[in-house]
Amino acid sequence: KAGVTQTPRYLIKTRGQQVTLSCSPISGHRSVSWYQQTPGQGLQFLFEYFSETQRNKGNFPGRFSGRQFSNSRSEMNVSTLELGDSALYLCASSRDRGRDEAFFGQGTRLTVV
Amino acid sequence: AQTVTQSQPEMSVQEAETVTLSCTYDTSESDYYLFWYKQPPSRQMILVIRQEAYKQQNATENRFSVNFQKAAKSFSLKISDSQLGDAAMYFCAHYMDSNYQLIWGAGTKLIIKP
Repeated sequence: KAGVTQTPRYLIKTRGQQVTLSCSPISGHRSVSWYQQTPGQGLQFLFEYFSETQRNKGNFPGRFSGRQFSNSRSEMNVSTLELGDSALYLCASSRDRGRDEAFFGQGTRLTVV
Repeated sequence: AQTVTQSQPEMSVQEAETVTLSCTYDTSESDYYLFWYKQPPSRQMILVIRQEAYKQQNATENRFSVNFQKAAKSFSLKISDSQLGDAAMYFCAHYMDSNYQLIWGAGTKLIIKP
């Protein structure tokens, strides 16, 4: 079966712009989580969605937002981009909860210039 | 608060040898799950092994096994018969149903010497 698909793979944006990243989970998976990975901070949790409901949000400013659609696809949006937002953004899907195996996409590499 | 600590930023091992990666964690919960994930240069995170805290038996997946010491809050990964394809960043992670998130360690870079 198809894995987790993240689009786009690479993105270059200018400070102050906004960006939307997309994640299509494995078919049948209802939980989607997002993580930010940077060399300095490592992997940090952004949010988790299940059946279109956000169940938890990490310690990120309000510029970071997300949503999940009825087909479980998810998007995350970052507004007013800052240089520090440059990172690898990873999406993971699970059947119901993260206690199950989380399957990851290849990530979106965002560079803010 | 949940924390996960990997004290070895980098480890190297000769091909075919055995290596152990360390991980300690802190939690006040009794029901939780522990994972080792591998991230090769292609950057896609792949599950290596999963442990349920309520199970005393250590998880094993082929050449990969864990030493789970619940009282000591220790969860080390042993890789036997190391292969060149094992070279990657290895992350230890902790999960609780109460907050729906994986808490990650800083990672250990594993180098395999041919």
